[in-house]
Amino acid sequence: DAGVIQSPRHEVTEMGQEVTLRCKPISGHNSLFWYRQTMMRGLELLIYFNNNVPIDDSGMPEDRFSAKMPNASFSTLKIQPSEPRDSAVYFCASRGGLRAEAFFGQGTRLTVV
Amino acid sequence: AQKITQTQPGMFVQEKEAVTLDCTYDTSDPSYGLFWYKQPSSGEMIFLIYQGSYDQQNATEGRYSLNFQKARKSANLVISASQLGDSAMYFCAMREGRNQAGTALIFGKGTTLSVSS
Repeated sequence: DAGVIQSPRHEVTEMGQEVTLRCKPISGHNSLFWYRQTMMRGLELLIYFNNNVPIDDSGMPEDRFSAKMPNASFSTLKIQPSEPRDSAVYFCASRGGLRAEAFFGQGTRLTVV
Repeated sequence: AQKITQTQPGMFVQEKEAVTLDCTYDTSDPSYGLFWYKQPSSGEMIFLIYQGSYDQQNATEGRYSLNFQKARKSANLVISASQLGDSAMYFCAMREGRNQAGTALIFGKGTTLSVSS
């Protein structure tokens, strides 16, 4: 299995621009999670989906952030407009079946200048 | 309130020695799971070990073991015979509810482990 695939791996954008991060979970997994990692705040849960349905988005920092999961094999996290404080590593993870652990993608390093 | 607390920002150990990384958790749910992940400098998150709240035995995976003390709400990671490649950030995490509930993992702040020769 290819694991969780995130794209792009690195993104540099200017303040005010729209940013879209993409995630392909492991086939057959029915839970998908978006996390943000910064030095100051550590690993924060932003939102998660079960069976493509958003369950808890209380971690989404502002209305500038939105996430979708149109089908079982694809999810997006969008930031519009982006701000320098959004600079972080964004991880997508998925879990499914009888396995307890979540499997993480390689992350997207976002820099907003 | 913090659900996962890792009080050691950094730990130092010599090769071949054992090291314990501390983790305490807070939940009122009788069903929960505890996890440890490793994040090397390359940035990926690597799953190490899992302990369910109803598991009677402490979990072990190779050189990793989880010292689960339910009454004290602690889930310390023990790495035996440390290797240079163990140098990384280690995160403790918890999931409330049963596996099938599909709830998310909540992470602690992490502990940086440095192994020297």
